[in-house]
Amino acid sequence: GAVVSQHPSWVICKSGTSVKIECRSLDFQATTMFWYRQFPKQSLMLMATSNEGSKATYEQGVEKDKFLINHASLTLSTLTVTSAHPEDSSFYICSAESLGKETQYFGPGTRLLVL
Amino acid sequence: GENVEQHPSTLSVQEGDSAVIKCTYSDSASNYFPWYKQELGKRPQLIIDIRSNVGEKKDQRIAVTLNKTAKHFSLHITETQPEDSAVYFCAASSPPDTNAGKSTFGDGTTLTVKP
Repeated sequence: GAVVSQHPSWVICKSGTSVKIECRSLDFQATTMFWYRQFPKQSLMLMATSNEGSKATYEQGVEKDKFLINHASLTLSTLTVTSAHPEDSSFYICSAESLGKETQYFGPGTRLLVL
Repeated sequence: GENVEQHPSTLSVQEGDSAVIKCTYSDSASNYFPWYKQELGKRPQLIIDIRSNVGEKKDQRIAVTLNKTAKHFSLHITETQPEDSAVYFCAASSPPDTNAGKSTFGDGTTLTVKP
């Protein structure tokens, strides 16, 4: 149980294009999803917290117009990197937790390379 | 906000020896402390967790201890094996009904177990 999928697993795009990443909880209802960014050999940096049916809460320094988050259902959250630039290249990981539970279950991550 | 410090950043042990990783946290409201193992290029996997009403928890070769007064918790791995080699992250989480239950992660410890 508690499986989280993420799609795509990797993407290469040109500078200026937008990229959408999907995060799905496959066997449980995820009332809260978190989006992280991870640079090589570094920790998980929380970007935003996404609650189903409401606006995402962004961490300080994360541009909400740059990283659009939508949590339209209890099993799906999306992160759209708008007008991507090479500095946005990174490993993006989502996690999901269900109501009242503290444990986060992570997706497999999406490796983004912006040329 | 919460601040989590993790030590050491790298740890090398001989197969069969024990490994200990320590974390401290700053927010006394944090009440849930998971440990994740992340292999290269893969998602973080929960290996053990502890809640603030418990002082110690053990699962086979893995144990976690928590000292609420001192605000520190530790991961202990006994009889280490080469497959234990990975990056380990500690985290401190606030209750789900406060601060959206988000987790603050330590910077990670790269554990290498030499055969």
